[in-house]
Amino acid sequence: GEDVEQSLFLSVREGDSSVINCTYTDSSSTYLYWYKQEPGAGLQLLTYIFSNMDMKQDQRLTVLLNKKDKHLSLRIADTQTGDSAIYFCAETGSARQLTFGSGTQLTVLP
Amino acid sequence: NAGVTQTPKFRILKIGQSMTLQCTQDMNHNYMYWYRQDPGMGLKLIYYSVGAGITDKGEVPNGYNVSRSTTEDFPLRLELAAPSQTSVYFCASRRGRSSRETQYFGPGTRLLVL
Repeated sequence: GEDVEQSLFLSVREGDSSVINCTYTDSSSTYLYWYKQEPGAGLQLLTYIFSNMDMKQDQRLTVLLNKKDKHLSLRIADTQTGDSAIYFCAETGSARQLTFGSGTQLTVLP
Repeated sequence: NAGVTQTPKFRILKIGQSMTLQCTQDMNHNYMYWYRQDPGMGLKLIYYSVGAGITDKGEVPNGYNVSRSTTEDFPLRLELAAPSQTSVYFCASRRGRSSRETQYFGPGTRLLVL
């Protein structure tokens, strides 16, 4: 079945850039997403990228997609303490449902 | 708009008890979803609905039932609660079938089965 993998933890200093990585197995993925989950809250869509794109930029967020390696990354520039959260990678592939990774806990240190 | 609302926020059940998790959306969305999130894991799809009167199983439907009698409401029923159903449950909705459309999530219901 489809699988989405992420590393579990990432720590960065305030003001540095954060890069969260994700790999997926479904070669028919059409859209890939990044969601943010703050403590005690539901998931909030941050950004998404269509599979025929290799980069998308939205203010401090940059998404890079390497379709050949099935690798997706989210770069957050000038990371702030308010960016501390769990970040989920997700994809819509052949099942036409969202498949989520296990999430990356981003901790921003002062 | 309140978006997607879920009740209760938190519940403790004994093994074998039953309960209904409520989910309501006021955005007139056709698509609604129920997910569970186990500690340190991503979300797993339990059931989904593409419109009133239509429901279908997701990845982990066993032990759950759903109904969709109205566009707004999509309750999730646990008939015989088991410890394995201890989880955080999220309801979500989306306007249409396009993958470009955003899924909006509720705040979640934390369920503990003892």
